[in-house]
Amino acid sequence: DVKVTQSSRYLVKRTGEKVFLECVQDMDHENMFWYRQDPGLGLRLIYFSYDVKMKEKGDIPEGYSVSREKKERFSLILESASTNQTSMYLCASSEANTEAFFGQGTRLTVV
Amino acid sequence: DQQVKQNSPSLSVQEGRISILNCDYTNSMFDYFLWYKKYPAEGPTFLISISSIKDKNEDGRFTVFLNKSAKHLSLHIVPSQPGDSAVYFCAASFSGSARQLTFGSGTQLTVLP
Repeated sequence: DVKVTQSSRYLVKRTGEKVFLECVQDMDHENMFWYRQDPGLGLRLIYFSYDVKMKEKGDIPEGYSVSREKKERFSLILESASTNQTSMYLCASSEANTEAFFGQGTRLTVV
Repeated sequence: DQQVKQNSPSLSVQEGRISILNCDYTNSMFDYFLWYKKYPAEGPTFLISISSIKDKNEDGRFTVFLNKSAKHLSLHIVPSQPGDSAVYFCAASFSGSARQLTFGSGTQLTVLP
């Protein structure tokens, strides 16, 4: 079974803090993704990566950056957290031309 | 501009009956469609997919239908069970996109015992 693991289930951070969300997959997948889920908006793509050190902006990259130094790990960074970044964050991975597998999600609250 | 739309935020169905969840898309470049199921406080889990070269794909109680001319797909669940109660997301992608998925806003399905 594919396993995608996100480092935290719940996080509470203060406005202005730098926040790191970590994601690890164990199936040697090429592609990794970060989405956020908000009520009524579904899942929106923040960033994705199709190879080590490669990254592409998704639909809503503003206020975020990413890092992929190793194939199995994809990190999402909030440079200066704001209250409108309170959300459920979902990491996913996939092999080329197959479905994506998701982690359990991180519920981030920025106060 | 939402490229994938699920116009029904919620649906209630009696146990044992058919559940039909609908999804519309606007981008004619999409050639691969998926349905995901999501329970609260968990990540989405893959349910079933269909390629644009097909018009139907079946897996047990789940069947997905694709109508390319109408840019419409639907998920049928027969018979519906209380454990099917979850949010269902429709997603689409196209070749050469690293399979990045564009999601609809989701439909909350409630199956009543």
